[in-house]
Amino acid sequence: AQKVTQAQTEISVVEKEDVTLDCVYETRDTTYYLFWYKQPPSGELVFLIRRNSFDEQNEISGRYSWNFQKSTSSFNFTITASQVVDSAVYFCALSSNDYKLSFGAGTTVTVRA
Amino acid sequence: DADVTQTPRNRITKTGKRIMLECSQTKGHDRMYWYRQDPGLGLRLIYYSFDVKDINKGEISDGYSVSRQAQAKFSLSLESAIPNQTALYFCATSEEDSNNEQFFGPGTRLTVL
Repeated sequence: AQKVTQAQTEISVVEKEDVTLDCVYETRDTTYYLFWYKQPPSGELVFLIRRNSFDEQNEISGRYSWNFQKSTSSFNFTITASQVVDSAVYFCALSSNDYKLSFGAGTTVTVRA
Repeated sequence: DADVTQTPRNRITKTGKRIMLECSQTKGHDRMYWYRQDPGLGLRLIYYSFDVKDINKGEISDGYSVSRQAQAKFSLSLESAIPNQTALYFCATSEEDSNNEQFFGPGTRLTVL
């Protein structure tokens, strides 16, 4: 069985502050994929990033960055210099050999002007 | 045009009614999925299909049935809707050997009174 835990239910910040979202996962498979999705108030799911279990290289893409650490089974996501448009629910998800996605409960981010 | 479409986008119905949610995709993917989203629980898998002749139960299939009419179409039915099936429903697709990335439809908001 696989499991994704997002311990933070809600985060509220003032614009331009950095926001880090935590994600901890459990899986017995050695090959797996980790994802972050964004769900803005309009409701659709927006794909942000995918990482496979063999690629621990962390990356920065614009204001987004990711920190993948297999040793602690964590895949954290940071928004730098947050903006009001970043307000959304963010989901971490895990997929492995069964090709099904297991989602965390989501973290609601509110960025205040 | 969107690659993954869902109809209807919103539906209000009464307890005991039969409801069908439809999903169509133009991505040519073999694999299709139905999820439901409830506040604080993330997305949970209802059913999935890896090809036209393949149907599998997901985490929460009770009270639901599906039909894979063609590669491009995957319908979800609630034979006798109940209020706790009020949720946001997402359809998704993926292709084999795609690093497990799934592409989501815009969602259907279902309310059962």
